[in-house]
Amino acid sequence: AQSVTQLGSHVSVSEGALVLLRCNYSSSVPPYLFWYVQYPNQGLQLLLKYTSAATLVKGINGFEAEFKKSETSFHLTKPSAHMSDAAEYFCAVNRADKLIFGTGTRLQVFP
Amino acid sequence: DAGVIQSPRHEVTEMGQEVTLRCKPISGHNSLFWYRQTMMRGLELLIYFNNNVPIDDSGMPEDRFSAKMPNASFSTLKIQPSEPRDSAVYFCASSLRGGSGEQYFGPGTRLTVT
Repeated sequence: AQSVTQLGSHVSVSEGALVLLRCNYSSSVPPYLFWYVQYPNQGLQLLLKYTSAATLVKGINGFEAEFKKSETSFHLTKPSAHMSDAAEYFCAVNRADKLIFGTGTRLQVFP
Repeated sequence: DAGVIQSPRHEVTEMGQEVTLRCKPISGHNSLFWYRQTMMRGLELLIYFNNNVPIDDSGMPEDRFSAKMPNASFSTLKIQPSEPRDSAVYFCASSLRGGSGEQYFGPGTRLTVT
């Protein structure tokens, strides 16, 4: 069955540093993969999605993710962190009509 | 274009009272999902509908919880009677079935049961 694992429940970076949030998936069929961001007291917002087109997917706010089938990974990156990136990030994979979410990674950005 | 609309945004009620949460999905979307989010349990799928029909309610915690979707533009999640452990943020999300599956979330209803 499809599932995702997010490594690291908390990640801290300095402003301007590289952001790397890890997500590994398990799927018996080619998956659709998603990254969502949740700012405090808000709903989840779609950052980007992979739907079997280009393996490098660009999203909003300068984020991107690369689908690597050999590693079953879909890590989220941003070259330079900004204070406004502090939030919780969720990786998700489709399973039939549903999305299966990871447990989330809280990103802290220090000045 | 309006996103998913939820009301109320905040609800404080006493134990034993009935609580009704409301959701209006994005126009044209034919799948609707209710989630609950807590610090302890994270994000949980409670129930989802396709074309107004409940498909999977295995995440509904107890018989005290019920959900309806009388038409394509409105859904309710009801808790009767409410208990303090129901305190959480409840999210509604909608999607276009048959697409790539991305869901669009509402702002949530923060429920506090005292």
